[in-house]
Amino acid sequence: EVQLVESGGGLVQPGGSLRLSCVASGFTFSSYSINWVRQAPGKGPEWVSYITSSSGTIYHADSVKGRFTTSRDNAKNSVYLQMNSLRAEDTALYYCARGSRGGYYFDYWGQGTLVTVSS
Amino acid sequence: QSALTQPASVSGSPGQSITISCTGTSSDVGSYDLVSWYQQHPDKAPKLMIYEVNKWPSGVSNRFSGSKSGNTASLTISGLQAEDEADYYCCSYAGSRSFMVFGGGTKLTVL
Repeated sequence: EVQLVESGGGLVQPGGSLRLSCVASGFTFSSYSINWVRQAPGKGPEWVSYITSSSGTIYHADSVKGRFTTSRDNAKNSVYLQMNSLRAEDTALYYCARGSRGGYYFDYWGQGTLVTVSS
Repeated sequence: QSALTQPASVSGSPGQSITISCTGTSSDVGSYDLVSWYQQHPDKAPKLMIYEVNKWPSGVSNRFSGSKSGNTASLTISGLQAEDEADYYCCSYAGSRSFMVFGGGTKLTVL
């Protein structure tokens, strides 16, 4: 069974940092791209970042570019989202989602970890 | 404001069919057959229902179908059932710069 489990969320002050983790199981992790997708309360999802299986290609949304960094460790079946210079508008439930073989849809999602940016 | 435009809500009675539209631009929906649809029940993660415009993932009912014309994609649900009541989101590949864009979501109510 494919499983994605996020952790690392919490309450942080504006300007602060957090590092989210996503641990995968039930599939050959090193063969798949992984995305981070966030969803603010009462809003639709917003794609945040994408990392290919080998970390050869990494994309970030314009809204987080320069502040967020995505990385992965295939030996640990894990993907990370380092979030710096956090803003109130970054408050959301952050999901990791497996990319399809072609990379252009999300076939499995975790349950999310909540990030709240507030003073 | 979301990149793709969906109606805020639709409704239908059990057994009926409904269609949810998703309007983008020539930079996303209109340029790629890479539209996907997700179902989200309250306090649950989104679930893939349709990918590449009109393909079903394993385990998804064929009561759900997708199509596309120009810059607009559509999700049709036939034979509505109570458990179909949920939020539905469309998503499209938008090129290497924007990568993936979502719609704002449509709340489906089964009357």
